Parts: sequence; C-alpha cells; structure tokens
Amino acid sequence: DIVMTQSPDSLAVSLGERATINCKSSQSVLYGSNNKNYLAWYQQKPGQPPKVLIYWASTRESGVPDRFSGSGSGTDFTLTISSLQAEDVAVYYCQQYYGTQWTFGQGTKVEI
Amino acid sequence: QVQLQESGPGLVKPSQTLSLTCTVSGASISSVSYYWSWIRQPAGKRPECIGRIYTSGATNYNPSLKSRVVISQDKSKNQFSLSLSSVTAADTAVYYCARAGVDCSNGLCYTWFDSWGQGTLVTVSS
Repeated sequence: DIVMTQSPDSLAVSLGERATINCKSSQSVLYGSNNKNYLAWYQQKPGQPPKVLIYWASTRESGVPDRFSGSGSGTDFTLTISSLQAEDVAVYYCQQYYGTQWTFGQGTKVEI
Repeated sequence: QVQLQESGPGLVKPSQTLSLTCTVSGASISSVSYYWSWIRQPAGKRPECIGRIYTSGATNYNPSLKSRVVISQDKSKNQFSLSLSSVTAADTAVYYCARAGVDCSNGLCYTWFDSWGQGTLVTVSS
C-alpha cells in the first residue's frame, strides 16, 4: 500500500496568517498517461465526516474558499491556507487514490 | 443532492459480527459512475478504507481486513452493507459510508470521496 505521511502533526497559526501542511507519499501518485496526481485534501471538523477541499492535487472543490490551495506533484504535496479564518480550525488529511488501496495521511491539526 | 445514511447496532460483543447498512438517496447505487465505500476512523486516528463495491457487484477489500469483510448491495432498496466478522476492541471506530467517482477516461478509474454519511460509532465491548 502507498503510505501517506503528513507534516507537521499540528500547527498553530494566527488569524489572517498562512498555514502550510505537507504530505508525502511513499511512491509517486502521478499517472503518466494523463499527467494527473491522484491526491485529495480533506477538512474534518469535530463530529463531522471529512469534506473534500482539493482533488487532482490542485483543483478546488466547488464552494471551497479560494484561500485554500493545493500544489505539488509526484510524491510531495502541500495544502496552503493563505489567510487563516476561525472556521478553518480542523484536522486536515491528504488521501491518495492512485493505488487499488486508497490511503490517508495521519492528519494535521490546525489551531489558532 | 446525494445523501448517505449509516444504520446498525452501536454496540457489538467481541467475536461477533458487525453489520451496518448505508441507505443512499439522491443517487443510484446502480450508476456506473461511482464506487460505494466503507471507511472507518478510530478516535483520534486517520480514516481507514475498509472496502468498496461497484454496481457490477465487484468488490475490493483492504488486505488487512479481507478475511473478515463482506460488502454487499441491495439495488431494490438502494442500499449497500458491511459485514465484519470476529470483531475485537480494535474494531471500535466511527464507521462511514462514502461515494467515490469512477473516471476511466485515461486508464486509472479512481477518484476522490465526494460524499460521506455522517458516520456511526460502533463500540466492541462485552
């Protein structure tokens, strides 16, 4: 299985400041035939299921604020929140859907 | 708008079988455009994919759980189900059903989870 490792495990960011979360996969999730990275980012708030923010590593889901952005390719990816808002306090997960077994990172807790 | 709703016992005894059902509304599990999945998440841990089923009946299971898992579907009720046998305390988790899209346009057919149920807590305890 592809192992997903996020860093850091937690971070505290001031309101209005930038938050950066990293995700590394144990093998490339870039598919050569279509040049797409099979990686998504989710936000999970307490008592709720994960909600997709980003797919194909950098495509924002409809309705997701543009302060959320994804970047990276191959094995190294980043989720950036450009200006942290109070409602962004949550745990963020990356997930690969390249292999037959889909796997998640261990999560990054973002606090104010 | 698709909605998924998990149902089943919240408490299961060790060595028994955990059985959950996901009722889907706003979409058909007979659609060729989606996989229907079960995912679990122990408290404070990452989500873990248990397995998925496609409209054809084809299934894919997590190898670590494969010997104990069966995912099935009832198209007449627009439901799919999870059966996990010989449970232990390690199977205590919130169990989610979820939908992932199918896009085989370039060879790999997999996409992200775009819809989730609210989740149901299953505790394994005597």
